[in-house]
Amino acid sequence: AQSVTQLGSHVSVSEGALVLLRCNYSSSVPPYLFWYVQYPNQGLQLLLKYTTGATLVKGINGFEAEFKKSETSFHLTKPSAHMSDAAEYFCAVSAETGGFKTIFGAGTRLFVKA
Amino acid sequence: DAMVIQNPRYQVTQFGKPVTLSCSQTLNHNVMYWYQQKSSQAPKLLFHYYDKDFNNEADTPDNFQSRRPNTSFCFLDIRSPGLGDAAMYLCATSRERLGRGRLETQYFGPGTRLLVL
Repeated sequence: AQSVTQLGSHVSVSEGALVLLRCNYSSSVPPYLFWYVQYPNQGLQLLLKYTTGATLVKGINGFEAEFKKSETSFHLTKPSAHMSDAAEYFCAVSAETGGFKTIFGAGTRLFVKA
Repeated sequence: DAMVIQNPRYQVTQFGKPVTLSCSQTLNHNVMYWYQQKSSQAPKLLFHYYDKDFNNEADTPDNFQSRRPNTSFCFLDIRSPGLGDAAMYLCATSRERLGRGRLETQYFGPGTRLLVL
């Protein structure tokens, strides 16, 4: 079965600073990996996804994530935080052994200070 | 341009009083999902429909049921809501099921926040 661990339930950065949200996954087979963002009282929006091929994936709103198989990680980064980035971020994994069901991490709430 | 619509956005019900949440989609997707998301937790899949084929998750309580009368609509019925069922309920769709070599994007609605008094 697959699982996802997001390190840090809360992350706080200053506006303009680097955003780094950590995600580690567990999967016995090649995974599909996702990052979703959820703004208050809204549904989830896909930021980016990794399938196969290039390990550095670029998403919307200036975010990107790098798949590192050796570290079983898929950390999300953005060079310069904006106030509008304040939200909850979910890492998720999907794989064949789990029937391709999407398994979400517990989420990381990002705070951006002015 | 709304794609996945959930009504109402906020629903208040009484302990034990049946409640129905609704979801509609304009994407003509084959798969519709219902997730439960409790405060500060990850979304948890309750069940999904592939066309008319209902797929229940093993740990979904019997208190939760679903109906899909047509491609566009899917309902979540909670027969006897308890205090522990207060949560955000998210509807999502995908064109097809995820499968080998086929990565489908899930599109989420804005959710319905359920409060049980």
